[in-house]
Amino acid sequence: DQQVKQNSPSLSVQEGRISILNCDYTNSMFDYFLWYKKYPAEGPTFLISISSIKDKNEDGRFTVFLNKSAKHLSLHIVPSQPGDSAVYFCAASDVVGSQGNLIFGKGTKLSVKP
Amino acid sequence: DGGITQSPKYLFRKEGQNVTLSCEQNLNHDAMYWYRQDPGQGLRLIYYSQIVNDFQKGDIAEGYSVSREKKESFPLTVTSAQKNPTAFYLCASTMDSYNSPLHFGNGTRLTVT
Repeated sequence: DQQVKQNSPSLSVQEGRISILNCDYTNSMFDYFLWYKKYPAEGPTFLISISSIKDKNEDGRFTVFLNKSAKHLSLHIVPSQPGDSAVYFCAASDVVGSQGNLIFGKGTKLSVKP
Repeated sequence: DGGITQSPKYLFRKEGQNVTLSCEQNLNHDAMYWYRQDPGQGLRLIYYSQIVNDFQKGDIAEGYSVSREKKESFPLTVTSAQKNPTAFYLCASTMDSYNSPLHFGNGTRLTVT
């Protein structure tokens, strides 16, 4: 039973437009969420995180929104650039800041077209 | 440059053989982790270690073993008991297991035939 779901396996966006990647979770005990980005043949790299006491966290072109009542979070990339083309993983934990028990989604492959 | 080194990048083994995947980090991180990724799947935690000489099972530890004799090293052995060993294996580390994002190596792709 998937606790973290990324229902869109892929997303294609034009350069300069907004990319919105979605993630749903089922465990109401999750209170810390992260996004990782992965290029082919490389390990994932940390992008941005949010704890459940917030509903938004911003870092440059990347913003994560958290809707606890809907058990939904989203990653917005504005403006999208070709270098953003990668697989994005959503991850969740039931202990704020803890990395030891992260649950990952299956990932969404983002393609940003010039 | 500090980082996590996984070697080799590609590994091929015959069924029934044990194989050990190497993971070394020079980041002075306390905690280290092993994840497995299968096609179209998320990362699943195999084992993790928060300090030297101590480690805990993750969600899919069966058929795997680890050791943490040194802070820098966290090798993973895939035993013959692992039913489906062919996968992409990722090692990661953090300064501590709280409030620090995971730093990943570039992975080892293991193929068992």
